[in-house]
Amino acid sequence: DTGVSQDPRHKITKRGQNVTFRCDPISEHNRLYWYRQTLGQGPEFLTYFQNEAQLEKSRLLSDRFSAERPKGSFSTLEIQRTEQGDSAMYLCASSLTASATNEKLFFGSGTQLSVL
Amino acid sequence: AQSVTQLGSHVSVSEGALVLLRCNYSSSVPPYLFWYVQYPNQGLQLLLKYTSAATLVKGINGFEAEFKKSETSFHLTKPSAHMSDAAEYFCAVKGGFKTIFGAGTRLFVKA
Repeated sequence: DTGVSQDPRHKITKRGQNVTFRCDPISEHNRLYWYRQTLGQGPEFLTYFQNEAQLEKSRLLSDRFSAERPKGSFSTLEIQRTEQGDSAMYLCASSLTASATNEKLFFGSGTQLSVL
Repeated sequence: AQSVTQLGSHVSVSEGALVLLRCNYSSSVPPYLFWYVQYPNQGLQLLLKYTSAATLVKGINGFEAEFKKSETSFHLTKPSAHMSDAAEYFCAVKGGFKTIFGAGTRLFVKA
């Protein structure tokens, strides 16, 4: 168990550029979540995968955001045409549970995005 | 819809003093509640969870929380603060498959 890994740790980009983040969940974890956290706020749900299927996408996500989880393993989150308002910490979490209500999330350390 | 509200964005205590971090929830169904902690430059980790088995829940590092339905509260306590407890604490509630987080309370521990 090496934990949830996120890459890169930091990303600085110019407005209008595209960025892609990667998340490697704990091996065998079937659920994977993306959250966004801004300063002074708790994590906000973005999207959720059960294996390779994306089951829910928050209304917070505009069409510029897309996430994939091919083969139900690692996941990528892409932001197209970045805006300054996209600056935030992007968190990935994974879990393995038969019961959603008893779920324990394991979080990565996050990718800090700064859009200049 | 489920939600949680954390009272106080910052709490400061002296080392050895009682820690009390407040959380109130709103839920139309019996809630499943959690406390997570985030140390600097680390990911969030689960402190404890309430899943209706017992109203007093014990977690890691000496923390515990009590579920009070009449007060819709799930406050986090620790009898004696340690310097290593300085971190940000998040109360959370399960809403379907989503975990919904509060805004967080930053705990400062003074020597």
